[in-house]
Amino acid sequence: DGGITQSPKYLFRKEGQNVTLSCEQNLNHDAMYWYRQDPGQGLRLIYYSQIVNDFQKGDIAEGYSVSREKKESFPLTVTSAQKNPTAFYLCASSVHDGGGTEAFFGQGTRLTVV
Amino acid sequence: DAKTTQPNSMESNEEEPVHLPCNHSTISGTDYIHWYRQLPSQGPEYVIHGLTSNVNNRMASLAIAEDRKSSTLILHRATLRDAAVYYCILKSNNAGNMLTFGGGTRLMVKP
Repeated sequence: DGGITQSPKYLFRKEGQNVTLSCEQNLNHDAMYWYRQDPGQGLRLIYYSQIVNDFQKGDIAEGYSVSREKKESFPLTVTSAQKNPTAFYLCASSVHDGGGTEAFFGQGTRLTVV
Repeated sequence: DAKTTQPNSMESNEEEPVHLPCNHSTISGTDYIHWYRQLPSQGPEYVIHGLTSNVNNRMASLAIAEDRKSSTLILHRATLRDAAVYYCILKSNNAGNMLTFGGGTRLMVKP
């Protein structure tokens, strides 16, 4: 089945540790995105990539890093510099970033810092 | 970025039509109107999008005002599975413009 897969679904991290969230898509999409969602809030853009080997910061990139070495993969690292990392993280992809294209979202990773 | 305004919440009865409004008075000519919905603890799901003309698909209809300053998502027959947060989003056709989510409308469906 074509789609976008995030893993793991739940992740626990000790304070001060870096952690990497996986996002894979087999839709042959050029554009990929990472969003963060806090309880009762909308989604906020962390990073996005329009093409392999290129990515740009979103609205809340501080404390996060990404890579886009392969078209199908866009991992997100939550570093120890992120002051409040506990949140629901969502990855998405689209054919490209044009206005008329729909985005497909994964099922999310819920990160909890303990 | 052009912003949208939606009611915080709405209620509907099962099997009745639902009209979810969205105001976007600062919309520009290159902005598409997108609707997504999100069920609890899940990723958002694409519903529909349009530019100027009304649009229909298997999930819903999108009615766009003639001046494009408002739109309405229409669910023709609400079911309990339609209970979700619905987001109305403007997405520019200019490169580098992303989906920007607001607070959305929480739709509650009563049996």
